[in-house]
Amino acid sequence: DVVLTQSPLSLPVTLGQSASISCRSSQRLISSDGNTFFHWFQQRPGQSPRRLIHSISHRDSGVPDRFSGSGSGTDFTLKISRVEAEDVGVYYCMQHTYWPHTFGQGTKLEIK
Amino acid sequence: EVQVVESGGGLVQPGGSLTLSCAVSGFTFSTYWMNWVRQAPGKGLEWVANINPDGSERRSVDSVKGRISISRDNAKNLVYLQMNSLRGEDTAVYYCLAWGDVNYWGQGTLVTVSS
Repeated sequence: DVVLTQSPLSLPVTLGQSASISCRSSQRLISSDGNTFFHWFQQRPGQSPRRLIHSISHRDSGVPDRFSGSGSGTDFTLKISRVEAEDVGVYYCMQHTYWPHTFGQGTKLEIK
Repeated sequence: EVQVVESGGGLVQPGGSLTLSCAVSGFTFSTYWMNWVRQAPGKGLEWVANINPDGSERRSVDSVKGRISISRDNAKNLVYLQMNSLRGEDTAVYYCLAWGDVNYWGQGTLVTVSS
């Protein structure tokens, strides 16, 4: 199975500052058709997860442009600029290039 | 309005069975891959199973293979998760997820396996 390793696992951030989460894959995530099925999810406390970023860098509808994704191959990054109180929660990276689809362990973002 | 509503969770004894249902509306169900994702208490997310739009392709993770199966009824906009021989480690909130250009998640249903 593809293992996704996130860092850090805990991320205290001051309001208005930027935050960055890394996700490293145990295998390259580019598929035979050239696509990379790598995504980022947010799970706010007490809520269902929601996808923020699909295909490495494309924001889902309604996601603020403070969120951005980048990376390729095995290394990917989620950046949150100007962190707001509503950004508190756990962030997961996820791949579905290979079955089984897998998630990272999660990174808990909290406000300092 | 899009709705994804899971039902069928509850308390079941080890070795028991349970069928979860997921009812959807507000989007073209028959064009979406449907998925079940679970989250054990205080833990991360785990993909359990998925099924393609016409139901001809089904996959499940090794930890549940032979015990848990996914199915769908496109006429009724329903997807199911049949769970047999349940174990303590199956205790989790089970989320129904419609995967497409847009993702739709349900609110989850809690399955507790305990004597």
